[in-house]
Amino acid sequence: DTAVSQTPKYLVTQMGNDKSIKCEQNLGHDTMYWYKQDSKKFLKIMFSYNNKELIINETVPNRFSPKSPDKAHLNLHINSLELGDSAVYFCASSQWTDAGELFFGEGSRLTVL
Amino acid sequence: DQQVKQNSPSLSVQEGRISILNCDYTNSMFDYFLWYKKYPAEGPTFLISISSIKDKNEDGRFTVFLNKSAKHLSLHIVPSQPGDSAVYFCAAIVGYTGANSKLTFGKGITLSVRP
Repeated sequence: DTAVSQTPKYLVTQMGNDKSIKCEQNLGHDTMYWYKQDSKKFLKIMFSYNNKELIINETVPNRFSPKSPDKAHLNLHINSLELGDSAVYFCASSQWTDAGELFFGEGSRLTVL
Repeated sequence: DQQVKQNSPSLSVQEGRISILNCDYTNSMFDYFLWYKKYPAEGPTFLISISSIKDKNEDGRFTVFLNKSAKHLSLHIVPSQPGDSAVYFCAAIVGYTGANSKLTFGKGITLSVRP
């Protein structure tokens, strides 16, 4: 039973399209995150939510809009996709009392053509 | 602005020998340091951590050493096993608790353990 699951695992799309990635965790954690791993392999935080409330919003274009319908789900919607959005997007979760120990999903590889 | 640096992109060691993975940081506000391990097509998994008030933490074959004055930490794996072959990310955080705490990751080191 996967602890943090995200779908889809692969997306290939054209520039200008809109796409969504969904994430669910069954660990009972109260905090969820989106991280981006770009071509240079850095893992960088994009957003975090705690109990459905947006907490961290790094300098991310407005085309990226996270949504947390409940504390077990965090989705990422991307409008008007650009070539530079190509990356692996990782969802993660943790308890706020243990913010260093993240549980990651398998990642969603987005390729924008 | 790389606050966590892993300057060696790869390391290859013989099975049974010691693997030493290095990490440097620039932000003196970091108070916890962590190592994550990542296999291909999987997400990173937490391996071991150390508080800035300690200089060593051990968990089985894995030991992390912290040298605050040098802003340097290292992960030692003894003995190395082929299953340890993976990408290892060094990470750091300011404040281990709190929903607004965020991990800063290095680029990762690819470890290959030769049978």
